[in-house]
Amino acid sequence: QVHLVQSGAEVRKPGASVKVSCKTSGYMFAFFYLSWVRQAPGQGLEWVGNINPTNGVTDYAQKFQDRLTMTNDTSTATVHMHLGGLTSEDTAVYYCARMDWSGALDSWGQGTLVTVSS
Amino acid sequence: QSALAQPASVSGSPGQSITISCSVSTGDFGRNDYVAWYQQYPGEVPKVLIYNVNRRPSGVSDRFSGSKSGNTASLTISGLQPEDEAIYYCSLDTDPHIHFGGGTALKVL
Repeated sequence: QVHLVQSGAEVRKPGASVKVSCKTSGYMFAFFYLSWVRQAPGQGLEWVGNINPTNGVTDYAQKFQDRLTMTNDTSTATVHMHLGGLTSEDTAVYYCARMDWSGALDSWGQGTLVTVSS
Repeated sequence: QSALAQPASVSGSPGQSITISCSVSTGDFGRNDYVAWYQQYPGEVPKVLIYNVNRRPSGVSDRFSGSKSGNTASLTISGLQPEDEAIYYCSLDTDPHIHFGGGTALKVL
């Protein structure tokens, strides 16, 4: 059974950075891209970026290009998302999700609330 | 960059069928069949209902169906039930990017 388990909620001050982790299990880690999607309070879904666990190649949404880093650890089947230069607009639930061959996100982590507040 | 437009809300009575549209603002979907639909209840994780335009993952009710024509993809829910009240999102994978629609709140009257 596929499981994606994310790290716990975080609170940061403006200008700080945050790292969110997503540990996967129940499938071959290298076979599926992982995506990060965020959802601000009361808002819709917003794609943040993808990582290819096989080689660590990443693709980021343009708005995050200069402050986002995604990495993976194949030894623990875990991916990490590091977002810097936080502002209040980054307050959101961040989800990791497994991407299938068609681009659909077929399994999701439980979400991690990141709150940016002074 | 593709932008996907969905109606903010739709409603229907139990037993009826409703359709939620998802339109590409520029051009059309063309040969891209990487359209998916998600259902999200308040405070819960999104769940994929439809992938590849019209395929259902195992365990998803056959009351949910998807289609695509020109610049519009559609999600149809037949035999509407109270538990269908949720927010529905369409998505399009333009490799390597994923685009989401703004979401449609379904109200079951």
